[in-house]
Amino acid sequence: DVKVTQSSRYLVKRTGEKVFLECVQDMDHENMFWYRQDPGLGLRLIYFSYDVKMKEKGDIPEGYSVSREKKERFSLILESASTNQTSMYLCASSFSNQPQHFGDGTRLSIL
Amino acid sequence: GEDVEQSLFLSVREGDSSVINCTYTDSSSTYLYWYKQEPGAGLQLLTYIFSNMDMKQDQRLTVLLNKKDKHLSLRIADTQTGDSAIYFCAEIRAGSYQLTFGKGTKLSVIP
Repeated sequence: DVKVTQSSRYLVKRTGEKVFLECVQDMDHENMFWYRQDPGLGLRLIYFSYDVKMKEKGDIPEGYSVSREKKERFSLILESASTNQTSMYLCASSFSNQPQHFGDGTRLSIL
Repeated sequence: GEDVEQSLFLSVREGDSSVINCTYTDSSSTYLYWYKQEPGAGLQLLTYIFSNMDMKQDQRLTVLLNKKDKHLSLRIADTQTGDSAIYFCAEIRAGSYQLTFGKGTKLSVIP
């Protein structure tokens, strides 16, 4: 089975902090994705990556950046956290156009 | 329109069949997916269908695809309380590895 592991289930940070959310997959997938999920808005794509060191903006990249130094790891970075970034963050990975597999999510609260 | 559309809520009695409907946007979509999300968890891939198929059955799950109307449905037979969750419809458009999600249908099963 594909395993996508997000480093934290719950995280509480303060406004202005730099926040790192980590995601690791064990299936050698080339594609990795970061989403945020908010009530009434569904899932929205923040960034994605097709390969090591490659990244593409999704629908809502503002206030975020990403890093993919190794194939199995995709990090989401909040450069200066703000309260409107309080959300559930979901990481996913896939091979080519095959189904995406999701981690359990990180519920991030910015105080 | 541009959105994948689903009803937000569905309530059924235990033992009845549930039918969750979805209208997608792109007639060239190659794959269509159903994901399940239980409270506080990530998304679990339930099933998917290739765009050249009309129907797929997997135990209690039946997926029907009407390409002419761009309509996808998920039928859950003998619905159980453990089926209570949010169900997301998603499409992959031709030439893309990105998923476009509906906002999810919250299924409540009444004992």
